[in-house]
Amino acid sequence: AQKVTQAQTEISVVEKEDVTLDCVYETRDTTYYLFWYKQPPSGELVFLIRRNSFDEQNEISGRYSWNFQKSTSSFNFTITASQVVDSAVYFCALSVVNQGGKLIFGQGTELSVKP
Amino acid sequence: NAGVTQTPKFQVLKTGQSMTLQCAQDMNHEYMSWYRQDPGMGLRLIHYSVGAGITDQGEVPNGYNVSRSTTEDFPLRLLSAAPSQTSVYFCASSYSRVSNTEAFFGQGTRLTVV
Repeated sequence: AQKVTQAQTEISVVEKEDVTLDCVYETRDTTYYLFWYKQPPSGELVFLIRRNSFDEQNEISGRYSWNFQKSTSSFNFTITASQVVDSAVYFCALSVVNQGGKLIFGQGTELSVKP
Repeated sequence: NAGVTQTPKFQVLKTGQSMTLQCAQDMNHEYMSWYRQDPGMGLRLIHYSVGAGITDQGEVPNGYNVSRSTTEDFPLRLLSAAPSQTSVYFCASSYSRVSNTEAFFGQGTRLTVV
């Protein structure tokens, strides 16, 4: 069985601080995919990144970066120089090969960025 | 390009009533699914479909039915609403189950059962 754990329920930071959202996953499959989604206060789910299990390179996109470590089964998300617009609930999710679209979500981390 | 369209956005039901949540996608995606979102529990899979005529149960299927007669549509039926079904419901679609591409989500339906 697969499982995703986001141990941080809520995080509060002041604007311009860096913040890291943790994601730990469990799966016995060797081929799997990891995702991050953002849910702003308006409620929609916005796709941020997809990573497959064979690609451990870290990725940076503007102020966002992701650190994938298979050795610790983690896929952490860092926001550099946070902004008020980053305030949202962030979900980490997992899918295994040939079950694309069947996502196992973590509980979500609510990030509040205060001015 | 509308993406994934869900209706209605809000709904209040009385216990025992039935209703259908509509979901349509215009991206010719093979895979469609329904999730419910509850506080502190993330999103949980209710039912999914890998193509027209094929559906299967997810993690929390009880009290819900689905059908997939066309590639575009994937309605979710609540047979006899219960307060425990108060939740936010999301429909999603993705290109195929094989490719594991990202899922596109509808805007959500906030359902309250009283």
